[in-house]
Amino acid sequence: EIVLTQSPGTLSLSPGERATLSCRASQSVSSSYLVWYQQKPGQAPRLLIYGASSRATGIPDRFRGSGSGTDFTLTISRLEPEDFAVYYCQQCGSSPWTFGQGTKVEIK
Amino acid sequence: QITLKESGPTLVKPTQTLTLTCTFSGFSLSTSGVGVGWIRQPPGKALEWLVLIYWDDDKRYSPSLKSRLTITKDTSKNQVVLTMTNMDPVDTATYYCAHRSWNLDAFDIWGQGTMVTVSS
Repeated sequence: EIVLTQSPGTLSLSPGERATLSCRASQSVSSSYLVWYQQKPGQAPRLLIYGASSRATGIPDRFRGSGSGTDFTLTISRLEPEDFAVYYCQQCGSSPWTFGQGTKVEIK
Repeated sequence: QITLKESGPTLVKPTQTLTLTCTFSGFSLSTSGVGVGWIRQPPGKALEWLVLIYWDDDKRYSPSLKSRLTITKDTSKNQVVLTMTNMDPVDTATYYCAHRSWNLDAFDIWGQGTMVTVSS
């Protein structure tokens, strides 16, 4: 089973700032199979990024995914008020499709 | 437009079996590549992947829960059913079903989730 470790656990930033979230895998993950979701309180997760770097439909271009192998990054270039949420990475390359433990982006 | 909705009991007793139904529209589970998965989230905790069923009836289970889970599909009713045996209070969580597109290894559309509490 591939274990995904996200860091930091919490990121305290102000609107307009840049957010950099990390997802590290216990073994190599094909870039095709690394996914990022956003989850707001009381809501289901929403797909942001698939294939490590492709934005899902309707996702603004301030969200950027990158990385390969065991190290992946989600960057939010300039935080908007609606971006404060919890972000999860997931690998979909080998069963079980594991999730990271999440990074909370909170308002500073 | 793809939608999914989970239904089932909100409260189950320890040792009982939980049965959840995911009713979907906007896609067919007989289309090559399509899948439906179940994911759960205990209150205040992270997402946990449970199981995925594909259009060809291939099933992939979480190893840690495999002995307790069964997933089936009814293509004619556009439903996927998850059963989990021997429920325990630690299984208290919101249970989501989600769509895997034919060309995307990810869950692109999620149901709203259903909260299940395990308590005597």
